[in-house]
Amino acid sequence: QVRLQESGPGLVKASQTLSLTCTVSGDPISYGGYYWNWIRQHPGKGLEVIGYIYYTGDTYYSPSLKSRLTISTGTSSNKISLTLTSVTAADTAVYYCARGGWISGTYVFDSWGQGTLVTVSS
Amino acid sequence: QSVLTQPPSVSAAPGQKVTISCSGTSSNIDNNYFSWYQHLPGAAPKLLIYDNNKRPSGIPDRFSGSKSGSSATLGITGLQTGDEADYYCGIWDPSLSSGVFGGGTKLTVL
Repeated sequence: QVRLQESGPGLVKASQTLSLTCTVSGDPISYGGYYWNWIRQHPGKGLEVIGYIYYTGDTYYSPSLKSRLTISTGTSSNKISLTLTSVTAADTAVYYCARGGWISGTYVFDSWGQGTLVTVSS
Repeated sequence: QSVLTQPPSVSAAPGQKVTISCSGTSSNIDNNYFSWYQHLPGAAPKLLIYDNNKRPSGIPDRFSGSKSGSSATLGITGLQTGDEADYYCGIWDPSLSSGVFGGGTKLTVL
């Protein structure tokens, strides 16, 4: 059974770079046809997919974050990294990593980390 | 702006039934299948429904799903206080090549 765990600083200063890591256990991220997503939830708001890295290495970034966001994987570890530059208070959110894939005809997010709260301070 | 629209909140009494709607706003998603997620406070979201109406193993049959046209509905019967959560519909948006969520619906069990 796959398990995902986010880690990273809970507090980042405005204008600096946010870096988070998602450690995946129980499933190699380099094959299997899965999408490894970063999803965030602003306080009191809904879930927002901000990007993913496909098992092939292809990436998708939300248009609103494309200029500041990078998602990558480690060369020898089962980790997915998120880097978000020039953060502002609007980037304060709970950040989740989640595995996406196809079950029958449906694209689903079938495994999730517990999420990590990131607060951007001025 | 998501291609999926949900009501912000619904409520019902314990033991009753509630439905949550999810309306698609783009023809790009007409032929795709909906999923539903339960997000309990302080927990990770959990997949409830896929293929519009199928339940993963372990999801009780109190939860059901249906689809009509470009919209979907989640039904919950025999409501329990433990069902109080945010519920999200999801779908693959081919225009983005990404999964997307509706805005979420907060269920209150009165």
